[in-house]
Amino acid sequence: QITLKESGPALVKPTQTLTLTCTFSGFSLTTSGVGVGWIRQPPGKALEWLAFINWNADERYSPSLKSRLAITKDTSKNQVVLTMTNVDPADTATYYCAHRPQGGSSFQDWGQGTLVTVSS
Amino acid sequence: QSALTQPPSASGSPGQSVTISCTGTSSDIGGYNLVSWYQQHPGKVPRVIIYEVTKRPSGVPDRFSGSKSGNTASLTVSGLQAEDEADYYCSSYGGTNNFAIFGAGTKLTVL
Repeated sequence: QITLKESGPALVKPTQTLTLTCTFSGFSLTTSGVGVGWIRQPPGKALEWLAFINWNADERYSPSLKSRLAITKDTSKNQVVLTMTNVDPADTATYYCAHRPQGGSSFQDWGQGTLVTVSS
Repeated sequence: QSALTQPPSASGSPGQSVTISCTGTSSDIGGYNLVSWYQQHPGKVPRVIIYEVTKRPSGVPDRFSGSKSGNTASLTVSGLQAEDEADYYCSSYGGTNNFAIFGAGTKLTVL
């Protein structure tokens, strides 16, 4: 059974750096073809892909947010970490991490999401 | 990075069929057979119902089907049921620098 769970602060002040952790089980990020992505959803709005990391540490970022994002993995802990710098109230959203399986092209398994509010 | 274009809403009566479109460009939908559709009920986590344009994950009813023509992908829900009322998002691979592009979502109402 594959599970993912996001963790991080519920409230962040503008200009601060947001760090979110995705802890997963049921698959390994050392398996060829496997990846984990981050997607967010502002309240009442659409999904937006943010970042993705592959088993081989290949990183991909949303072009519009690339300068503010960093994604890393710790295979020993089964974790993927997303860092977003200089947050703004517009970054208020539910942040999801999701699993792309080996040979897959979509996000098949999702975490429950974590709501992050950016406010002073 | 431009979102894929979806109609904001769609509706149909129980038992009817409804099709939701998703329009992109030759750099995303038109360039790859890597379109996915996600269903999201209010307050719930999105779940993939179609991937690689036409494929269904196990457990997804065959009432859901996907297709693509040129730069437009479509999701068809046949035999509408009350439980199909949800938001639907399309997504496409957009190349090396645009791993995943989402549409703005379509709210499906079962009348």
